[in-house]
Amino acid sequence: EVQLVESGGGLVKPGGSLRLSCAVSGITFKDVWVGWVRQAPGEGLEWLCRIKNKPVGETSDYAAPVKDRFIISREDSQNTLYLQMNSLKTEDTGVYYCTIDHGDGYFGSWGQGTLVTVSS
Amino acid sequence: EIVLTQSPATLSLSPGERVTLSCRASQSVSNYLAWYQHKPGQAPRLLIYDASNRATGIPPRFSGSGSGTDFTLTISSLEPEDFAVYYCQQRSNWPLTFGGGTKVKIK
Repeated sequence: EVQLVESGGGLVKPGGSLRLSCAVSGITFKDVWVGWVRQAPGEGLEWLCRIKNKPVGETSDYAAPVKDRFIISREDSQNTLYLQMNSLKTEDTGVYYCTIDHGDGYFGSWGQGTLVTVSS
Repeated sequence: EIVLTQSPATLSLSPGERVTLSCRASQSVSNYLAWYQHKPGQAPRLLIYDASNRATGIPPRFSGSGSGTDFTLTISSLEPEDFAVYYCQQRSNWPLTFGGGTKVKIK
C-alpha cells in the first residue's frame, strides 16, 4: 500500500520560511513524479509544484503564486520529498498535501496533509 | 490558465439517489480530465481519469463522461460513504488546475 506522510507544518510569521517533508513508502520512489497541492481554508484544491524523476532530468515546475518563493526537491535515497517555502504570505495558509503523479498529470496518491498557518 | 467551473456548488441528497455533477472547462481539454473525492480530514482520492476511466479500486457506481469542455461525474446510487466534496482537474494545459468543487450533503 502506498503511503505518503507529510510533516513540518506549523505557525510562521509573514516573511518567514518553513520546510515541509513527505515520507513515501509502498512504491519505488525514484520512479515516480511527486509534488504538492494545497487547500486554503474554505477553498478548493490548488496545484503548486511537482518534480519529475531522474531519468527525465529531475526537472521541476511551479504554479505562478509560488514560483520564485517555493523550492521543491527530492531525496531518492530517503524516499522523501521536500518543499522549502520562503517569503511566506498570509495567503499561503492552508493544508499542504504531497502527491504522486505517475507521469500522466493526475494525482494517484495523496498524503493526509500538514497545516501551515502564516500569521503575525 | 484553464478555468474549471463546477456546478452546483452544493447538493443535498438522500442515500440511494442518483447524482450528476458537472464540470465545464473554459477551453477544450480533450478528455484529459479527472475527478477526485475529498472527505474532511482525509486525503483526496482519485476516482476517474481521462474523463471516463475508473481508477483502481473505485466501485462501478462511479462513472465519468464528456469531452472537450463539458464533463459529468455520475454516482448511480449514493452510499453513505459518498457524502463528500468532489473536484474535477485538467491536465491538458499548463498549469494543472482544479475546479472549485461540489459538496454532496446528506438531505
